[in-house]
Amino acid sequence: GQQLNQSPQSMFIQEGEDVSMNCTSSSIFNTWLWYKQDPGEGPVLLIALYKAGELTSNGRLTAQFGITRKDSFLNISASIPSDVGIYFCAKETSGSRLTFGEGTQLTVNP
Amino acid sequence: SQTIHQWPATLVQPVGSPLSLECTVEGTSNPNLYWYRQAAGRGLQLLFYSVGIGQISSEVPQNLSASRPQDRQFILSSKKLLLSDSGFYLCAWSAGQGLSGYTFGSGTRLTVV
Repeated sequence: GQQLNQSPQSMFIQEGEDVSMNCTSSSIFNTWLWYKQDPGEGPVLLIALYKAGELTSNGRLTAQFGITRKDSFLNISASIPSDVGIYFCAKETSGSRLTFGEGTQLTVNP
Repeated sequence: SQTIHQWPATLVQPVGSPLSLECTVEGTSNPNLYWYRQAAGRGLQLLFYSVGIGQISSEVPQNLSASRPQDRQFILSSKKLLLSDSGFYLCAWSAGQGLSGYTFGSGTRLTVV
């Protein structure tokens, strides 16, 4: 199957620290997406990547599409308490379907 | 602007009872619609998707079914709920192939007791 391996599964950090998480796939794809899910809510799109090597920022978030088109990472700089949530990578498959990674649970201690 | 509505927000149902969760989208036409289930706050499992009225594709065999009676309405149903049907159900829409990203509803927390 077209699985995504996302790591780490969970992170516990202090406010102000930087965070890095990544996602890998055994297959190459043309689009990588990063979502954040707040507790009890639906996921919200953070960043979309369309080209190998692409580096895109959204405020304190930076994501890169790996040059091999099989991986992506998401960095969060200077974390704050509202960064708490589950972060998912996702990729588009046929028929405009999305396959999601298992998520990284982020906890930020004030 | 486009909005997606999903209800109810929470639901507690006994084993063996029927289920009907509804999702509607506003502000767009002919969206792709999706039902996902999330267990224990972890990964999202695609249950059903639809590219048009009456067109339903099932990703995994299970105790659930989906219907799309209108262009912007997507319904998730079950005739008899099982304990294992408990979870967080998310509806989503997208504008179609080539336009990436989904917009998710706020989810329904289903507890089967």
